[in-house]
Amino acid sequence: SAVISQKPSRDICQRGTSLTIQCQVDSQVTMMFWYRQQPGQSLTLIATANQGSEATYESGFVIDKFPISRPNLTFSTLTVSNMSPEDSSIYLCSVEAGGGYEQYFGPGTRLTVT
Amino acid sequence: EDQVTQSPEALRLQEGESSSLNCSYTVSGLRGLFWYRQDPGKGPEFLFTLYSAGEEKEKERLKATLTKKESFLHITAPKPEDSATYLCAVLGGGGSNYKLTFGKGTLLTVNP
Repeated sequence: SAVISQKPSRDICQRGTSLTIQCQVDSQVTMMFWYRQQPGQSLTLIATANQGSEATYESGFVIDKFPISRPNLTFSTLTVSNMSPEDSSIYLCSVEAGGGYEQYFGPGTRLTVT
Repeated sequence: EDQVTQSPEALRLQEGESSSLNCSYTVSGLRGLFWYRQDPGKGPEFLFTLYSAGEEKEKERLKATLTKKESFLHITAPKPEDSATYLCAVLGGGGSNYKLTFGKGTLLTVNP
């Protein structure tokens, strides 16, 4: 398994601004993932981040809106750019660990855009 | 496209009253089915991985089973601390190698 921390745990932001969310893992991992969890909806994968390469985005998510950095094997950031109220959600990072495809999740960042 | 449907959306039990949660799925080449527990304000906590039909996994009062079309999470003699949202997810063989497709979850409340 893996222990994952995220910063900030929550934030309230004005529309049109950007927020960068940090994800730190207690061990080196190859694959890191960013998800969005909206009220009443399923967890939805935003992108997969490999160290040393560009992130791979899922359909409906673009790099200009959600730029991701992955500078080393224990850290990643997700930026939510030019925010609107529709971006209000919980953002979660996860890592694959344990050898059986299972992913372990951070505590999440609750974002409210006003 | 992989799909996961969980039922019921919400379930209220009395302490000690056993029941089951359902996860129906369609997937191209199942590589794993996962159960998670999520408490309010926290990230999902990994519970089980099931890989093939007929497989079963147990942990304390929880038992997960898998068929070719669905999975069940059986809760035996639940306690109030079992109250949480239970999420089911699948990993298929097509498309993105690591994309988990989640259901919307079942909110379980166990009353003392």
